[in-house]
Amino acid sequence: GAGVSQTPSNKVTEKGKYVELRCDPISGHTALYWYRQSLGQGPEFLIYFQGTGAADDSGLPNDRFFAVRPEGSVSTLKIQRTERGDSAVYLCASSFGPRETQYFGPGTRLLVL
Amino acid sequence: EDQVTQSPEALRLQEGESSSLNCSYTVSGLRGLFWYRQDPGKGPEFLFTLYSAGEEKEKERLKATLTKKESFLHITAPKPEDSATYLCAVQDGDYGGSQGNLIFGKGTKLSVKP
Repeated sequence: GAGVSQTPSNKVTEKGKYVELRCDPISGHTALYWYRQSLGQGPEFLIYFQGTGAADDSGLPNDRFFAVRPEGSVSTLKIQRTERGDSAVYLCASSFGPRETQYFGPGTRLLVL
Repeated sequence: EDQVTQSPEALRLQEGESSSLNCSYTVSGLRGLFWYRQDPGKGPEFLFTLYSAGEEKEKERLKATLTKKESFLHITAPKPEDSATYLCAVQDGDYGGSQGNLIFGKGTKLSVKP
């Protein structure tokens, strides 16, 4: 079956601009996670959704970052006033439940110039 | 604070030369330990989940084991196509905390030369 998909695969933007990153989870998965991976590091947790609600947003670095999942399926990670330090790979993962195996998408590579 | 440390950072092997990767962890209550493989430019690919000390799982040339403080990923007679970064992650079973998010190590970059 189809895995987790993410769009765009690459995004180049200028400092101060707004970006949206999209994640389409595996069908039937109720739990959705966003992670951020910098070069040479492991993924770091950003936010977790169970259904439509953000159950845990403790990993979001500041209030420029926001994510939604309005219908309990597709999720969008939104970054306002981008900074060069936001450059990283943004990974999305989904699972059947909050403590089940997570399956990752290919990631969106964000470069802020 | 939950923590995961992987060693070595990088490992170069000749084809057929068996070795092990280490993942040591500190977590208040382990719910699960996960191994993923990550190829350049791709997302992590799930390999194994281990839940309790003494548990072992195998897949082709890979075998994962778990103790109360660490996990090993044993690679037997590796091939060039096993070259990748191997990531270890833990999930905290303390339900008062985060709801299942994974805490990752930095990974071990494995290169297998023919």
